[in-house]
Amino acid sequence: QVQLQESGPGLVKPSQTLALTCTVSGGAIASGSFYWSWIRQPAGKGLEWIGRVYTSGSTNYNPSFKGRVTISVDTSKNQFSLKLRSVTAADTAVFYCARETRDGTPNSFDIWGQGTMVTVSS
Amino acid sequence: DIQMTQSPSSLSASVGDSVTITCRASQSISGYLNWYQHKPGRAPKLLISAASSLQSGVPSRFSGSGSGTDFTLTISGLQPEDFATFYCQQSYTTPWTFGQGTKVEIK
Repeated sequence: QVQLQESGPGLVKPSQTLALTCTVSGGAIASGSFYWSWIRQPAGKGLEWIGRVYTSGSTNYNPSFKGRVTISVDTSKNQFSLKLRSVTAADTAVFYCARETRDGTPNSFDIWGQGTMVTVSS
Repeated sequence: DIQMTQSPSSLSASVGDSVTITCRASQSISGYLNWYQHKPGRAPKLLISAASSLQSGVPSRFSGSGSGTDFTLTISGLQPEDFATFYCQQSYTTPWTFGQGTKVEIK
């Protein structure tokens, strides 16, 4: 059974780079027809898709992040990562990693991590 | 971006009640609509994909319908474990977008 687990600092200073890693267990990240996505949820707000990576390294990002985001994959470690640059307090949120299906049916996020809280504060 | 609007934003119901949550897209998304259940501190769970396809292991009291711009999630006979926040999400075109959520609380 595939499981995802987010890890990374819980506190980041304004203007710095937020960096998180998602470790995939119970299956190879490079197998199957999946994208690997990051999603966040600010306190009291809804879910926001940040972007995704395929095992080839190709990416798609939400334009609302205005070029601040990079998502990468390391198949040797069975991990994928998020970097969000120039953070402000508005980036404080719970960050989730999720597996996104791409098997010809409408895409969906079928497996999620439990989420990790990241606070942006000096 | 496609805007997803859920209603109501919250509701109170009793065990055994049937409830319906609606989700409206700002443009037609055909049947590219997913529903998730989220409990505090837990990973969100995919309930229904492609508007009406129940995921394996999800109880049959959950059902989804709709196409185009209007969709519904129905829970027929609420159980104690169903109290949570529910989100719709369109997978018609990126950036994927979610509704703001509907919190189902115990009356």
